[in-house]
Amino acid sequence: DAGVTQSPTHLIKTRGQHVTLRCSPISGHKSVSWYQQVLGQGPQFIFQYYEKEERGRGNFPDRFSARQFPNYSSELNVNALLLGDSALYLCASSKGQVNSDTQYFGPGTRLTVL
Amino acid sequence: QKEVEQDPGPLSVPEGAIVSLNCTYSNSAFQYFMWYRQYSRKGPELLMYTYSSGNKEDGRFTAQVDKSSKYISLFIRDSQPSDSATYLCAMRAIAGGTSYGKLTFGQGTILTVHP
Repeated sequence: DAGVTQSPTHLIKTRGQHVTLRCSPISGHKSVSWYQQVLGQGPQFIFQYYEKEERGRGNFPDRFSARQFPNYSSELNVNALLLGDSALYLCASSKGQVNSDTQYFGPGTRLTVL
Repeated sequence: QKEVEQDPGPLSVPEGAIVSLNCTYSNSAFQYFMWYRQYSRKGPELLMYTYSSGNKEDGRFTAQVDKSSKYISLFIRDSQPSDSATYLCAMRAIAGGTSYGKLTFGQGTILTVHP
């Protein structure tokens, strides 16, 4: 079975622009989570979606938004990009169980903001 | 103070050595503990998953959780050059509230195993 897929692999934007990142979960998984990983740091939780509903939100500004589609794929949108948004954006897929919910990560999208 | 503290290293060991990686945490609500391995410019790969206190072994890897001390460890036996990567500890509380499903990660420890 295919793992978590993300697109694009790399992206270069300028300050003030908008970006959309995409994620397809593992087949049979209904939950998608998004994380931001700045170079040299561990991933930081942004959102979790389950069955198209937002289930959790991290400490990120409203410039960050996401949604999940009926096929469980997901998009992360970031508006008004700042230099500090440069990072590896990771998508994690899980079954969406209440507890014991193992998250499997995709390869990430590397975003560079100039 | 960060919720999860992890020494970033770097840690360099010879092939065949036993490696010990550690994390401490402050949030007593954490119940699920994970170790991920991340190769350069790749996504994290799940290595070990444990619930509450105790030990878990999988091949050359052993994970230990001591909730009374808020301390978790990962041991790698007979380390190989292919083990060279960044190792991330991650933790999760019982589901609830707006942080549902949230994994809280340490900074990551960079490990190099040289032949």
